[in-house]
Amino acid sequence: DAMVIQNPRYQVTQFGKPVTLSCSQTLNHNVMYWYQQKSSQAPKLLFHYYDKDFNNEADTPDNFQSRRPNTSFCFLDIRSPGLGDAAMYLCATSSTLTEAFFGQGTRLTVV
Amino acid sequence: AQKITQTQPGMFVQEKEAVTLDCTYDTSDQSYGLFWYKQPSSGEMIFLIYQGSYDEQNATEGRYSLNFQKARKSANLVISASQLGDSAMYFCAMREDYSGGGADGLTFGKGTHLIIQP
Repeated sequence: DAMVIQNPRYQVTQFGKPVTLSCSQTLNHNVMYWYQQKSSQAPKLLFHYYDKDFNNEADTPDNFQSRRPNTSFCFLDIRSPGLGDAAMYLCATSSTLTEAFFGQGTRLTVV
Repeated sequence: AQKITQTQPGMFVQEKEAVTLDCTYDTSDQSYGLFWYKQPSSGEMIFLIYQGSYDEQNATEGRYSLNFQKARKSANLVISASQLGDSAMYFCAMREDYSGGGADGLTFGKGTHLIIQP
């Protein structure tokens, strides 16, 4: 059974129209991460939550926001998607420093 | 400077042969962790194996083993008896300063595209 679930698997959004991607976990892990992976590139960390503490990477654009209403759920909000934001978005969780479990990803297309 | 370097953009290997995927890393921390992930075309990141910087023995998980050479800062993945289903992208990743606690994310290399040929 999937332990880190991302919805939807595929998302098409219009240029400039806000979009939200979701991630849920059944592992009760205290840390949740969001990564962006553009085509043929390595995943790049956007931000993470350690419990309720939000940690933003220095080079993450302001256009990207995140919410974590409870332990199980975390959301990625893109306020005004541009063509350059088309990518695979990966959610991951961990409770110890020796692990990181990923969801199946959401492939975002901007038209 | 890149923290994780994977020098093989692509590899072709005959089925049933062993394959070694190269990974070198750069860190000044004494405590760190190294990970290997498999990413098939579907996009999911599948965890394969983990090696801690203080682990004295090389990690093994089934057909996967990690050849950890700390002095050389290398953490090569070895897949024994390759199978057609092993065809995928493989990423090496590092988490630094893990003994200090915290929850830093992983830094990934650019990946190696492995194709297993029948």
